[in-house]
Amino acid sequence: EPEVTQTPSHQVTQMGQEVILRCVPISNHLYFYWYRQILGQKVEFLVSFYNNEISEKSEIFDDQFSVERPDGSNFTLKIRSTKLEDSAMYFCASSEARDGWSEQFFGPGTRLTVL
Amino acid sequence: AQTVTQSQPEMSVQEAETVTLSCTYDTSESDYYLFWYKQPPSRQMILVIRQEAYKQQNATENRFSVNFQKAAKSFSLKISDSQLGDAAMYFCAYKWRNSGYALNFGKGTSLLVTP
Repeated sequence: EPEVTQTPSHQVTQMGQEVILRCVPISNHLYFYWYRQILGQKVEFLVSFYNNEISEKSEIFDDQFSVERPDGSNFTLKIRSTKLEDSAMYFCASSEARDGWSEQFFGPGTRLTVL
Repeated sequence: AQTVTQSQPEMSVQEAETVTLSCTYDTSESDYYLFWYKQPPSRQMILVIRQEAYKQQNATENRFSVNFQKAAKSFSLKISDSQLGDAAMYFCAYKWRNSGYALNFGKGTSLLVTP
């Protein structure tokens, strides 16, 4: 069964460093998402992406964040200058369509630890 | 503000018994969709069941069913004949058109299944 994959599973970085989190969505999906979950808190939406453009973004997704689909398979989230409060689990998701009913398929997540 | 409330941080059920996880939400939208996701210890979220708000009939997927009370803005999940593999974090979520169909999650309920 096709699934969303994410690398790395765990990333440790120093405050102020840039990190890139990678995701490979399901191959025939056209809509991509990033969510994050700070330990003990709820999963929060960051950004959605379609046709090489950001469709929606939350207040969390400020200028420190960017997303890209550099080739036909990868979907990346870049944090330019990490802060301690960026420590969280980051989930990538993809879906066939952008509507209410469509299922978003989630990857296993990347745990980001900022020291 | 659009919020999802899961009032039970933890629940416990014996194998083969039935358990109900509660979820309430607050929205002024008329067109929205409700979901329950399961996040096992491996941390990949899996869709359990979904419901369209304009459908009166409660959704059912094998041992999983929902009690959707639109007027009360309640969307509880019932798990029948609980199995050890049901132990996980369960997230209630919804999405609506004006948010670009990004998922809005509750804080989750941790379900423990005892033999």
